[in-house]
Amino acid sequence: DIQMTQSPSSLSASVGDRVTITCQASQDISNYLNWYQQKPGKAPKLLIYDASNLETGVPSRFSGSGSGTDFTFTISSLQPEDIATYYCQQYDNLPRTFGQGTKVEIK
Amino acid sequence: QVQLQESGPGLVKPSETLSLTCTVSGGSISSYYWSWIRQPAGKGLEWIGRIYTSGSTNYNPSLKSRVTMSVDTSKNQFSLKLSSVTAADTAVYYCARDLIAAAGLDAFDIWGQGTMVTVSS
Repeated sequence: DIQMTQSPSSLSASVGDRVTITCQASQDISNYLNWYQQKPGKAPKLLIYDASNLETGVPSRFSGSGSGTDFTFTISSLQPEDIATYYCQQYDNLPRTFGQGTKVEIK
Repeated sequence: QVQLQESGPGLVKPSETLSLTCTVSGGSISSYYWSWIRQPAGKGLEWIGRIYTSGSTNYNPSLKSRVTMSVDTSKNQFSLKLSSVTAADTAVYYCARDLIAAAGLDAFDIWGQGTMVTVSS
């Protein structure tokens, strides 16, 4: 299985801050990476697919980059409604695997 | 607007079989992959497996010996059976559409709200 490692596991930032989460794959997955947002008690929501493509309707403050084994997810200006846990997920191989998640909180 | 809804018992006894159904509304189940994903309380997401509307399946090797998925296109439903459950199978179970496009896109773009399943005697 491809292991996905996210860092940090949690972070606390102020409204308006730039937030960056990294995701590292245990092997080259090209750009076959998605990012999801999960708010408490809710199902995950697709934000970014193919490493850098914004899903329709997702605010432009969210972005993703990277290829190969190293990927970055960024919130350019943190908003109160962005409080959630964020997961990366690879689709290069079966089984599909997720990172362990990064919990984002407001300072 | 396609929506997914999981249904099934919220409590299953150890060693028995967990059975869940996902009903697809607002669109056709045909020509898509449909996945099951679970999340133990306070933990991350685990992909259980997927089924295509032809009935073709892919299962997570970690669960493969215990998982069976099926699809009923006439009812716009697909189902999960997980046998010989233990407390470790206690989790929120989600069904999701696995959108695969020719350009390489493959993502879980639509999710059900999730259903909590507890394994306990």
